[in-house]
Amino acid sequence: AQSVTQLDSHVSVSEGTPVLLRCNYSSSYSPSLFWYVQHPNKGLQLLLKYTSAATLVKGINGFEAEFKKSETSFHLTKPSAHMSDAAEYFCVVSARPYAGNNRKLIWGLGTSLAVNP
Amino acid sequence: AAGVIQSPRHLIKEKRETATLKCYPIPRHDTVYWYQQGPGQDPQFLISFYEKMQSDKGSIPDRFSAQQFSDYHSELNMSSLELGDSALYFCASRLQGGSTEAFFGQGTRLTVV
Repeated sequence: AQSVTQLDSHVSVSEGTPVLLRCNYSSSYSPSLFWYVQHPNKGLQLLLKYTSAATLVKGINGFEAEFKKSETSFHLTKPSAHMSDAAEYFCVVSARPYAGNNRKLIWGLGTSLAVNP
Repeated sequence: AAGVIQSPRHLIKEKRETATLKCYPIPRHDTVYWYQQGPGQDPQFLISFYEKMQSDKGSIPDRFSAQQFSDYHSELNMSSLELGDSALYFCASRLQGGSTEAFFGQGTRLTVV
């Protein structure tokens, strides 16, 4: 079975300090992993994705994530938080089901990031 | 570049009415997902279609139904609306192939009064 666990439901950082949003996954197959961001009252936007190429993935707005197979993790980081980073962040795994070509999207519960001035 | 289009953007309905939400995927995308997001909640998967066939079903109430048409657009039909159906409904489209991401529309905000 596939699953995604976002280890923190809320993270609060000060502006200019590093951001770490943690995500662990479980998958029987080689997964594709995504981070999406949702700003208040906005739609979901892709931040970055891992698709079995480079393990360190760079995304938009200065975010990056590192795929660590040994730790089954895909943590999202940013060296310096900005006020505009305050949003909800979702870690998503795409994994093959037992039959067929369709791949389900499995969502974490989200991490709410607050950035304090 | 074309994005996922959802209509309407906002909808207000009364209890026990019906609503139809539409989703127009990115051209050549063969998969559509529907999600429901209540206030302060994470998106809940409702249903998905691949090549016009239902491919997966989540927590979609029996009062709801959906389909994907020959032009790949999808409609979510909601009947006997309840106050608890008030939410943001997202549609996403994707090109199957495993590594491709899902692209989300801006959502339809449904308010049931």
